[in-house]
Amino acid sequence: DTGVSQDPRHKITKRGQNVTFRCDPISEHNRLYWYRQTLGQGPEFLTYFQNEAQLEKSRLLSDRFSAERPKGSFSTLEIQRTEQGDSAMYLCASSLAGQGPHTQYFGPGTRLTVL
Amino acid sequence: ELKVEQNPLFLSMQEGKNYTIYCNYSTTSDRLYWYRQDPGKSLESLFVLLSNGAVKQEGRLMASLDTKARLSTLHITAAVHDLSATYFCAGEPYGNKLVFGAGTILRVKS
Repeated sequence: DTGVSQDPRHKITKRGQNVTFRCDPISEHNRLYWYRQTLGQGPEFLTYFQNEAQLEKSRLLSDRFSAERPKGSFSTLEIQRTEQGDSAMYLCASSLAGQGPHTQYFGPGTRLTVL
Repeated sequence: ELKVEQNPLFLSMQEGKNYTIYCNYSTTSDRLYWYRQDPGKSLESLFVLLSNGAVKQEGRLMASLDTKARLSTLHITAAVHDLSATYFCAGEPYGNKLVFGAGTILRVKS
């Protein structure tokens, strides 16, 4: 298994455009998380899925953000009408929930720049 | 709401020296995690601490957890340049999302 993958790795867009990011988790992992990280800060939780169900969304996730995990495998995060404040690294992580600790394994991230 | 504070936020140390990074958290956390992040890269899991008094060691890094004091420490022994990175601690309030500290930037000088 090659770990969590994300695509694209970098995205430059103009303000007002829509963007979509994809995350492929580790294959047997049933939980998938999205975080956002800005320069000099720790990652901030956005949302997470258990299988295909979206179980929690942060207040940070405005109406312009939507995430899906349609078949409980890969996930997409869409940002509509991007703003300059959306510029950040978007990190995806996955874990296997069950008994004991379920360490989250992070992907390489998608760096978004909104001009 | 869980809040996590790390200190120091920046640490410059000489090779061969010892130092400790502190991580305080505000409310109950199921577990405490330590991650490492190299510049431009993603986060690498270092340790998971499950219970009071837990201690884990890997190479020159040792992490401990005191749930009564709501404090975790990451101790660096005889630092080497390869340890230069940003270190994050994270709490897990409800067994799902992680709440991260701001990170400690470690620079080891030869």
